[in-house]
Amino acid sequence: DGGITQSPKYLFRKEGQNVTLSCEQNLNHDAMYWYRQDPGQGLRLIYYSHIVNDFQKGDIAEGYSVSREKKESFPLTVTSAQKNPTAFYLCASSLRTGNVYGYTFGSGTRLTVV
Amino acid sequence: AQTVTQSQPEMSVQEAETVTLSCTYDTSESDYYLFWYKQPPSRQMILVIRQEAYKQQNATENRFSVNFQKAAKSFSLKISDSQLGDAAMYFCAYRSYSGAGSYQLTFGKGTKLSVIP
Repeated sequence: DGGITQSPKYLFRKEGQNVTLSCEQNLNHDAMYWYRQDPGQGLRLIYYSHIVNDFQKGDIAEGYSVSREKKESFPLTVTSAQKNPTAFYLCASSLRTGNVYGYTFGSGTRLTVV
Repeated sequence: AQTVTQSQPEMSVQEAETVTLSCTYDTSESDYYLFWYKQPPSRQMILVIRQEAYKQQNATENRFSVNFQKAAKSFSLKISDSQLGDAAMYFCAYRSYSGAGSYQLTFGKGTKLSVIP
């Protein structure tokens, strides 16, 4: 079955470390997105990519980096520059043209700084 | 930039009763799409219903329906015959144009719905 896989489900990071969250999809979607979810804040867009080898900053990109070398993969790196990285991270994908059916989401990664 | 506002952080409903979650949005576009997503305790986001702005008829999916008021920029979700499994966070989302023929979704902050047995 097609879908989006995020790994790991839980991730612990020490202060000053970079960590990478994985997102893989087999839906043949062109567009992929990373959102951060905090209590009372809803979903805030970190980065998005509408085509391979191209990506754009979202509303809260500072302290994060991404790559899009393959259509299926859109990993997110949380760098040591991110001041408050503890949050729930959601990856999503959609057809590039239209998005009339919304997004397909992964099951999320919970990142905790220890 | 488009904004989506959900003014009710939390709501509760008795099982089998009806509840309405509100959502307003700000846009200068005339043709757009709106969505309601459900996030149960598993945290998996599930699309509940969508509405095309150029369609006058309100969307309906089983017990879920919307009241779309385009002039008022309002997009409320009505859940009829509420069930325990409806307990979740509900997010309203607006599809906005992000350039080069592509779009992105802007989400509200969510409404946490509790269902009382």
